[in-house]
Amino acid sequence: EPEVTQTPSHQVTQMGQEVILRCVPISNHLYFYWYRQILGQKVEFLVSFYNNEISEKSEIFDDQFSVERPDGSNFTLKIRSTKLEDSAMYFCASSDRGRDYQPQHFGDGTRLSIL
Amino acid sequence: SQQGEEDPQALSIQEGENATMNCSYKTSINNLQWYRQNSGRGLVHLILIRSNEREKHSGRLRVTLDTSKKSSSLLITASRAADTASYFCATLKAAGNKLTFGGGTRVLVKP
Repeated sequence: EPEVTQTPSHQVTQMGQEVILRCVPISNHLYFYWYRQILGQKVEFLVSFYNNEISEKSEIFDDQFSVERPDGSNFTLKIRSTKLEDSAMYFCASSDRGRDYQPQHFGDGTRLSIL
Repeated sequence: SQQGEEDPQALSIQEGENATMNCSYKTSINNLQWYRQNSGRGLVHLILIRSNEREKHSGRLRVTLDTSKKSSSLLITASRAADTASYFCATLKAAGNKLTFGGGTRVLVKP
């Protein structure tokens, strides 16, 4: 069965550094998402992306965050200047909204640790 | 409480027993989805129920949805040790495509 793949599985970064998290969504999917889960807390929506532009974003997704689909397969999340509170598990997801009521399929996540 | 709250927060059962968990939400929804998360892993989609559906089955899973009460339940029948995981409900509103997750129910199935 097709999967969403994320790399790296664990990223350790110094505070203030830039970090790029990478995702390869399921190939025929049209919608792409980033969520995050701080340890012990709920999964939170960050951003959705369709047709090469952001379709929706949360308050968490401020100017320090950006997303890009640099080619036909990758979908990236960049955090420009990381803060301690950015430490979390980041999940990429994709869905085929060509039809209604399609589920979102998640990757295994990237654990981001900011030191 | 926030959109998508699960109850109970934790559940411990013996293998072979049924596990039931509930989810309540606040706003009108397009659909409600249930996910499983094994420790340290990603979210695995289990089942999606539309707002105009009342019950849905998938293998040993049974989901109900009561839009008048803004609640859903997930029943796992004949549980197995491999069902040990956290289970989350997530709602999709009528407009937009972001999922709003609850806090999850941690299920422990003892062999």
